[in-house]
Amino acid sequence: DVKVTQSSRYLVKRTGEKVFLECVQDMDHENMFWYRQDPGLGLRLIYFSYDVKMKEKGDIPEGYSVSREKKERFSLILESASTNQTSMYLCASSPAGTHNEKLFFGSGTQLSVL
Amino acid sequence: QKEVEQNSGPLSVPEGAIASLNCTYSDRVSQSFFWYRQYSGKSPELIMSIYSNGDKEDGRFTAQLNKASQYVSLLIRDSQPSDSATYLCAVNKAGGSYIPTFGRGTSLIVHP
Repeated sequence: DVKVTQSSRYLVKRTGEKVFLECVQDMDHENMFWYRQDPGLGLRLIYFSYDVKMKEKGDIPEGYSVSREKKERFSLILESASTNQTSMYLCASSPAGTHNEKLFFGSGTQLSVL
Repeated sequence: QKEVEQNSGPLSVPEGAIASLNCTYSDRVSQSFFWYRQYSGKSPELIMSIYSNGDKEDGRFTAQLNKASQYVSLLIRDSQPSDSATYLCAVNKAGGSYIPTFGRGTSLIVHP
């Protein structure tokens, strides 16, 4: 089975801190995604990547950056955390190919910024 | 207009009934459609995908797609309390980047 692992299940940070959220997948998937999920707003795409060192902005990239130095790892960076970035963050991966490919999700990181 | 629309619910049905979850999408060139189930505090997991007009059945689940009406639905027969979750509709558009767009999800409650 595909496994997508997020480094932390719960994280508490202070306003202004630099925050790193790590995601690793073990199935050699080309595509990786970062979403945030807030009550009533559903899943919103922050950034995605099709290949190593490649990144594309999603719908809400402001305040975030990403890094993909290795195929299996996709990191989300909050340069200066703010309280409005308190949310559930979900990483996902999928193989390259057709439009039929589903997403495999990690277990999520609940980030609280105080 | 949001690209993928779902009624947020909650949809409440008695155990054993049929639960009907609906989703509409705005982009006519959308090619593939997915239903994910998300239990509270957990991440989404795929339960159904559908690519052609008509019905697709898998156990107690049936996905229905009508591209002319830009409408996709999920029917859950013989609903069980364990089906209580949020159901997310996702749509992949055609062309280059197959990035799914998600609806906001419908909360389903199956009561004994």
